[in-house]
Amino acid sequence: GQNIDQPTEMTATEGAIVQINCTYQTSGFNGLFWYQQHAGEAPTFLSYNVLDGLEEKGRFSSFLSRSKGYSYLLLKELQMKDSASYLCAVTDSNYQLIWGAGTKLIIKP
Amino acid sequence: DAMVIQNPRYQVTQFGKPVTLSCSQTLNHNVMYWYQQKSSQAPKLLFHYYDKDFNNEADTPDNFQSRRPNTSFCFLDIRSPGLGDAAMYLCATSREGQNNEKLFFGSGTQLSVL
Repeated sequence: GQNIDQPTEMTATEGAIVQINCTYQTSGFNGLFWYQQHAGEAPTFLSYNVLDGLEEKGRFSSFLSRSKGYSYLLLKELQMKDSASYLCAVTDSNYQLIWGAGTKLIIKP
Repeated sequence: DAMVIQNPRYQVTQFGKPVTLSCSQTLNHNVMYWYQQKSSQAPKLLFHYYDKDFNNEADTPDNFQSRRPNTSFCFLDIRSPGLGDAAMYLCATSREGQNNEKLFFGSGTQLSVL
């Protein structure tokens, strides 16, 4: 079966750095997405990785290792508005998008 | 601004009473998707359209139907809602459905079934 694993919940402090991990077992790989979803709202796109390495975009960075089936989202200089769920999603060999259940990130002052 | 719009934001229906959720887009994207998302769960793809071509997921119940009368609009019809159908319904679009394309989501419709 196809599976995406993320921690259910994480807590971090305002101004700090947090790393949200995602491991995947899918039939093939054609890219990995990270989306942010605030409570009661729709997901919004954060990043896309298809090659190994780190993609940096402002305070957010995303890393991919295809050989390990592993990605992480790194959030720096955390702000209260970063409190949200972060969903990892992988495109498999059939170009189906497989979603994780998301990691709920709680930011404390 | 080009966007994906879902109406209504909140919908309450009665058990067994048909309900229709709507989605419109000004992005002129070819692909439109309907997802169901329950609390703290992954979004579940119900079906998608590539232009007028309808693609149903194998495990989508027959109770769920969809219409896309034109490029801009897509509807989700739930013929006989059950309590288990209470969820957030998300409409999304992508330009061509390619593997590297991000999805653009509407704000979602939160459906309650009484």
